[in-house]
Amino acid sequence: EDKVVQSPLSLVVHEGDTVTLNCSYEVTNFRSLLWYKQEKKAPTFLFMLTSSGIEKKSGRLSSILDKKELFSILNITATQTGDSAVYLCAVEAWGLNSGGSNYKLTFGKGTLLTVNP
Amino acid sequence: NAGVTQTPKFRILKIGQSMTLQCTQDMNHNYMYWYRQDPGMGLKLIYYSVGAGITDKGEVPNGYNVSRSTTEDFPLRLELAAPSQTSVYFCASKSRVENRGRREAFFGQGTRLTVV
Repeated sequence: EDKVVQSPLSLVVHEGDTVTLNCSYEVTNFRSLLWYKQEKKAPTFLFMLTSSGIEKKSGRLSSILDKKELFSILNITATQTGDSAVYLCAVEAWGLNSGGSNYKLTFGKGTLLTVNP
Repeated sequence: NAGVTQTPKFRILKIGQSMTLQCTQDMNHNYMYWYRQDPGMGLKLIYYSVGAGITDKGEVPNGYNVSRSTTEDFPLRLELAAPSQTSVYFCASKSRVENRGRREAFFGQGTRLTVV
């Protein structure tokens, strides 16, 4: 069974701090790892990572994947109160089922980040 | 471009009642998914589909059924609702191929279901 484990489960910081969120996975036939941000509604896409060692960056957020260690991190620098959310990690993996071969998306439990003023 | 549309947004069911959560997408995506999210938890996969006429069980399928008669629609059926099915339900769709380095799942706005 595919597993995605995120840590920490929750984190409280002050504005301006830098945070690192972790995601480890155990899947067969890895295809990609995705990060999402979820406020009080549907998740919104942040990054998709497929190759080791290549950093994806968007403003104060960045992420990198290590396929050898089965691990990804999401960094947020100079945090703001608007960064408060649940951050979800998901892994896309190739599998076989009644439809032939296809991709299943498995999510971790998420990290609840609270940024205080 | 509407994306993924879920209805209803909220629903209260009595134990033993049944209902269908509707999900439709207009992006011609092959893959569609149903997840449930309990308070403080991540998303758990209920059922998914890789195309019209094909569905498969996810992590927590018991108590649910799905169908995929068209590419656009992927309804989730709850038979004999139980309090354990109180949750927020998300439908998502995804393309099989990358587009400018992206292949993310697009989510509907969720359905908050309470079974009493």
